[in-house]
Parts: sequence; C-alpha cells; structure tokens
Amino acid sequence: SYELTQPPSVSVSPGQTATITCSGDALPKQFVYWYQQKPGQAPVVVVSKDTGRPSGIPERFSGSSSGTTVTLTISRVQAEDEADYYCQSADSSGTYKVFGGGTKLTVL
Amino acid sequence: EVQLVQSGAEVKKPGESLKISCEASGYTFTNYWIGWVRQIPGKGLEWMGIIYPADSDARYTPPFQGQVTISADKSITTAYLQWSSLRASDTAMYYCARQVFGSDAFDVWGQGTMVTVSS
Repeated sequence: SYELTQPPSVSVSPGQTATITCSGDALPKQFVYWYQQKPGQAPVVVVSKDTGRPSGIPERFSGSSSGTTVTLTISRVQAEDEADYYCQSADSSGTYKVFGGGTKLTVL
Repeated sequence: EVQLVQSGAEVKKPGESLKISCEASGYTFTNYWIGWVRQIPGKGLEWMGIIYPADSDARYTPPFQGQVTISADKSITTAYLQWSSLRASDTAMYYCARQVFGSDAFDVWGQGTMVTVSS
C-alpha cells in the first residue's frame, strides 16, 4: 500500500503563518491536492496540482513542492482557517489514489 | 448550479445489503468521473473508487476492491455505492465527489450519507 504522511496537528496564532507538510515517495512524480474540512462539512479543495489555487480560494493559501515533500502554507491565518487539512495524491503508477492522514490546524 | 445530492442516512444490521445514491445536476454527467470517499467518525478521508458514467468504467483502490461496488445510471444522472453484506466496520460517512476534468482533484462534493451498521 502507498501512504502519505502528515503531522497530526499544527497550532498557530492569528496573523501568523501555518505550514502543513505531506510526505510520500511518489510525490516527485505525482501531483498533490489539498483539502480543507470543517466540522460537519464536506471537504473543499484549496490547492490543486501542488501549487494551483482554485477559483474562490483566498490568496493566503499556497502550495509548494520539494522532492518527496509538499507543503501547504496559510499566510495571515484567521480563526476561520481552523479545520482539518488533507493532502491527496497517487502512487508512482498513478493508479492507487490516497489521502494523507490529515492535520488538525488549531488557531490559538 | 452544479450539485451532487446524496441519499439519506441508513441504519442497517450486519450481513444486510445496501445501495446508496448520488444524484448529479447542473452539468453533463457523462463528462466527469465520480468518486466515493469514506470517513469513519473522528477519522480521516479514504479514497474508495471512481466511475466514469459514460461507459461505467469503475476503478477501486486495493482496500476496497471486492468490498463494494460502484455503478452509475446515466439516464437518471445518478451514481451508486453498494454493499452485498455489511459489517460493523462499514459504519462511516460516505461522500460522492466529482473529479475535475484533467485532474485528480474533487471539486464538487455531495453532502454525505451516514451509514450505521449495528446489531
């Protein structure tokens, strides 16, 4: 099986920058997508294909990639950003799709 | 408006069968893959499988291969997820979601269907 590794939790004060990482052996070959999920709601994609920002997503959300690790960066964090964040990608063949374990972002 | 509307919550007993639905509207159903995602209460997202409604080409990730069946009826723009014999471990929220054309991202999600399996 293929796995993506995320930190279980990240804490940040309002106005600061939050970084959430996602690691996987196939990430140099496969795109990563980031989702935000708030309690009781369906996920929403906030970063697409490593660095793209879908329409309607604030510019504070950005993505970057380096080797086997991709990073979601949330600048000028606001209370409304408190949520679970998941990365999604695939194994090297592209056929085994998987989500990371999720990271709970707490805004202090 | 592009929408995916899922069927309501279900409470079933172990060993029973179940088929839940995901009705699409607001776009050309046969042009986009539809996927299913499981979320056990308090846990993370799990990618289950995906179907292309135009030809019913269905693909599954290994943990779910043989455990569930994904299907679609393009005449009523509806995708399905079904079990032939439920287990308590199938208790979860199930989401359907539309895959972005040319991407693996899911851009539109259903509201979720909670399935509870308990004796």
